[in-house]
Amino acid sequence: DAGVIQSPRHEVTEMGQEVTLRCKPISGHNSLFWYRQTMMRGLELLIYFNNNVPIDDSGMPEDRFSAKMPNASFSTLKIQPSEPRDSAVYFCASRDGGANKETKTNTEAFFGQGTRLTVV
Amino acid sequence: GQQLNQSPQSMFIQEGEDVSMNCTSSSIFNTWLWYKQDPGEGPVLLIALYKAGELTSNGRLTAQFGITRKDSFLNISASIPSDVGIYFCAGQRNYGGSQGNLIFGKGTKLSVKP
Repeated sequence: DAGVIQSPRHEVTEMGQEVTLRCKPISGHNSLFWYRQTMMRGLELLIYFNNNVPIDDSGMPEDRFSAKMPNASFSTLKIQPSEPRDSAVYFCASRDGGANKETKTNTEAFFGQGTRLTVV
Repeated sequence: GQQLNQSPQSMFIQEGEDVSMNCTSSSIFNTWLWYKQDPGEGPVLLIALYKAGELTSNGRLTAQFGITRKDSFLNISASIPSDVGIYFCAGQRNYGGSQGNLIFGKGTKLSVKP
């Protein structure tokens, strides 16, 4: 498996522009997470989906941020309009949301390589 | 929001030394995970812990799930230069049989002097 695939790896945009980050989760995984990483705040959970449905979006900073998961193999995180303070590395992670019933263990989240966003 | 307190924030050690870091929370978690992040990469899972009191090893790494389910530690024995990176703890709760979200600590930045 190729792992979680994010695109683009780097994005530089001007303030006010729309930015769209993309994520392809690992095939068969039905949970997907979007995180934002900055030096000051570390890894912040923005939103997570189970079976394409947003479960918790309390971490989404404000209305300028929106996330969608139209199908099990694709998700987008959109910022419109972008601002310099949105500059960060954005990670997508996926997980096989079904607990292993035999061992009663959960499965772990696997991360993509991230998108480094710079808003100037 | 939920918080995990991870310490120390950074460590500077000599190659060959042992390393210890930990995470605490005011809330109970069902799962504790430890990740390592190299520069320019996403976090990579090192160890997963599922039961209170569980002690798990992965090579030179050992991690434990605290009895109270509110803490976990990670030890690295005989550190080597490639251990350099940022180590994150993460906690996860289940709700009604479903897995909840994954909350991360702020990370421990490890530097190893050859």
